Amino acid sequence: DGGITQSPKYLFRKEGQNVTLSCEQNLNHDAMYWYRQDPGQGLRLIYYSQIVNDFQKGDIAEGYSVSREKKESFPLTVTSAQKNPTAFYLCASSIAGTGGYGYTFGSGTRLTVV
Amino acid sequence: QQQVKQSPQSLIVQKGGISIINCAYENTAFDYFPWYQQFPGKGPALLIAIRPDVSEKKEGRFTISFNKSAKQFSLHIMDSQPGDSATYFCAASSSARQLTFGSGTQLTVLP
Repeated sequence: DGGITQSPKYLFRKEGQNVTLSCEQNLNHDAMYWYRQDPGQGLRLIYYSQIVNDFQKGDIAEGYSVSREKKESFPLTVTSAQKNPTAFYLCASSIAGTGGYGYTFGSGTRLTVV
Repeated sequence: QQQVKQSPQSLIVQKGGISIINCAYENTAFDYFPWYQQFPGKGPALLIAIRPDVSEKKEGRFTISFNKSAKQFSLHIMDSQPGDSATYFCAASSSARQLTFGSGTQLTVLP
């Protein structure tokens, strides 16, 4: 079955540590996205990529980094510069150039700072 | 201009009742308006979507009403069931742009 796989489901980070969240899709989608979800604040866009080896900052990119070396993969690194990283992180993909049509989400990674 | 404003933040409805969630937008270039349903610990899933050339779209118990002149659209859930209890997000996009999401509505349907 085609879909998006996020791993791990739960992740714990110590203060000052970088962590990487995995996102893999087998939908043959060109575009991939990372969102952060906090209670009562909806989904805020962190980074997005329309094509391999290219990505753009979203609304809240500070303290995060991404790479897009393969079409299927779009990992997100939460760096130590992100002061409040505890949140639910969602990866999504879509067919590029179609706006929001066909958006598919993964099941999310819950990151907690300990 | 990219904002999508959603209300209410939370909604409690009795089983069998009608749930109504409203969204408003500013950007007249938006041409795709989906609604997503999210259960706890899961990613959002597309529920129903509409384009601005129609004023209403119905799929089972779920209906989107769209008012282009007022720049508003709403989700109606008829005969609400406890299994409908979830968070609902409206969203909007224009061609080749990513979705902009509303802030979400937590719906609780009482048995």
